[in-house]
Amino acid sequence: AAGVIQSPRHLIKEKRETATLKCYPIPRHDTVYWYQQGPGQDPQFLISFYEKMQSDKGSIPDRFSAQQFSDYHSELNMSSLELGDSALYFCASSLPQGSNTEAFFGQGTRLTVV
Amino acid sequence: GENVEQHPSTLSVQEGDSAVIKCTYSDSASNYFPWYKQELGKRPQLIIDIRSNVGEKKDQRIAVTLNKTAKHFSLHITETQPEDSAVYFCAASSEGSSNTGKLIFGQGTTLQVKP
Repeated sequence: AAGVIQSPRHLIKEKRETATLKCYPIPRHDTVYWYQQGPGQDPQFLISFYEKMQSDKGSIPDRFSAQQFSDYHSELNMSSLELGDSALYFCASSLPQGSNTEAFFGQGTRLTVV
Repeated sequence: GENVEQHPSTLSVQEGDSAVIKCTYSDSASNYFPWYKQELGKRPQLIIDIRSNVGEKKDQRIAVTLNKTAKHFSLHITETQPEDSAVYFCAASSEGSSNTGKLIFGQGTTLQVKP
C-alpha cells in the first residue's frame, strides 16, 4: 500500500541557508501535518493543512512557512537556518476529520545544519 | 492548549515480564489517544489506539486503558520480548469536524527488555 513519501531523506545545510522539505500524502488523504523531533525529544506539532488551507499552527518559527498544493502534497520552507533547527522532520497524513483520523507518518527528513 | 505527561521516562524489564507506561492529559476535549513505537532514527509507528467511547482495548500482547474522569490512559505490554525495546510515545488528539486532529505527544518512554 502507498505510504507517506518525504523527500529528501537527508539534508545538510549551512547556517543562514534555506531548505525545502516535501511531503506526498497517502492518496485520498487531504490532511497533512508537520512535526519536528529534536534529538531525544518527542515530536512537536508545527503546522497542518486541510484541503489546501492551513488548519492549525503550533510551535513553528516565523522563519518557516508551509503550504499544501492542489495535488495535496505539502512543502515546508525553512529560511535563515540555525543550528537548533537540526532535527527529524516528519510529515503525516490522515483522512478528513469526522472519519478515522489515524495519522500515517512518513519516514522523515533528517536535517543537519552546520 | 493540550498537555500530555508521560511516565516513566525509562523502563527496564526482564524478557517475559510486563511493562506499563502511563500518560495524563489536560484537555477534556481530547477524544483520541494513540500509542506509537519509535526505533532510533525511524518514523513513529502506531501500535494501538483508543477512543473516548471505550475504556479498554486489547491487541494480542498490547492493551490500552482509558480513564476519562481522571484524564489518564495507560499502555500495557505483556510477555515482553527484546524486540519490544524502543521508545514509546503516547499522544492525545481531538477528532471531529471542528477539530484539526493534531497530535500532542508525551515525552516518551525508553523501554529496554533484557534477554
